[in-house]
Amino acid sequence: QFQLVESGGGVVQPGGSLRLSCAVSGFTLSTYGMHWVRLAPDKGLEWVAVVPYDGNNKDYADSVKGRFIISRDNSKNTVDLLMNSLRPEDTAVYFCAKDRGAGLVWDAFDFWGRGTVVNVSS
Amino acid sequence: DIVLTQSPGTLSLSPGESATLSCRASQSVGSNNLAWYQHKPGQPPRLLIYRASSRATGIPDRFSGRGSGTDFTLTITRLEPEDFAVYYCQQYGRSPPYTFGQGTRLEIK
Repeated sequence: QFQLVESGGGVVQPGGSLRLSCAVSGFTLSTYGMHWVRLAPDKGLEWVAVVPYDGNNKDYADSVKGRFIISRDNSKNTVDLLMNSLRPEDTAVYFCAKDRGAGLVWDAFDFWGRGTVVNVSS
Repeated sequence: DIVLTQSPGTLSLSPGESATLSCRASQSVGSNNLAWYQHKPGQPPRLLIYRASSRATGIPDRFSGRGSGTDFTLTITRLEPEDFAVYYCQQYGRSPPYTFGQGTRLEIK
């Protein structure tokens, strides 16, 4: 059974930092690309970042580029999102999601965690 | 970047009816790399359809996707009470960003 469990959310002041983590089980993490996606209040889903299976060639949405860093530790079965210089508009539920494709084959997101809530507020 | 526009914004229907949701892309979606997701509050989004028309594992055949290029549809027949949710289309593939549409809310009439 595939499982993805996010943690690390909370309340942080504008300009602050937060590190989210996604613990995975039930599949070989090193085979798949992983993503972070967010859902802001009264808005739709927004793709945030991707890290390929080997950790190289990461990419980010323009809205977070230069502020967020995605990383993975295949030996610990975790995927992290370090969020710096946080803004009120970063307030959202953050989901990690597994790519359906293996290796460098990109596909839809077939398994998701339940999310962790980030609230950027003074 | 590819922009996805979903319509209608809200769809009000009764159980047993059929729903047709539309997703239009600002440019052609390569290899029909278009997915549909269902999302209910407090739950993870659920993959329904990938590659425009392939049903994900465990998805009933009441859900079907079709389309190519820039125009895609998700059809849900014989609506069940658990089908009322928000539905998103998404384009994916070789190059990020992997954009989502703004969503269609399917509500009980």
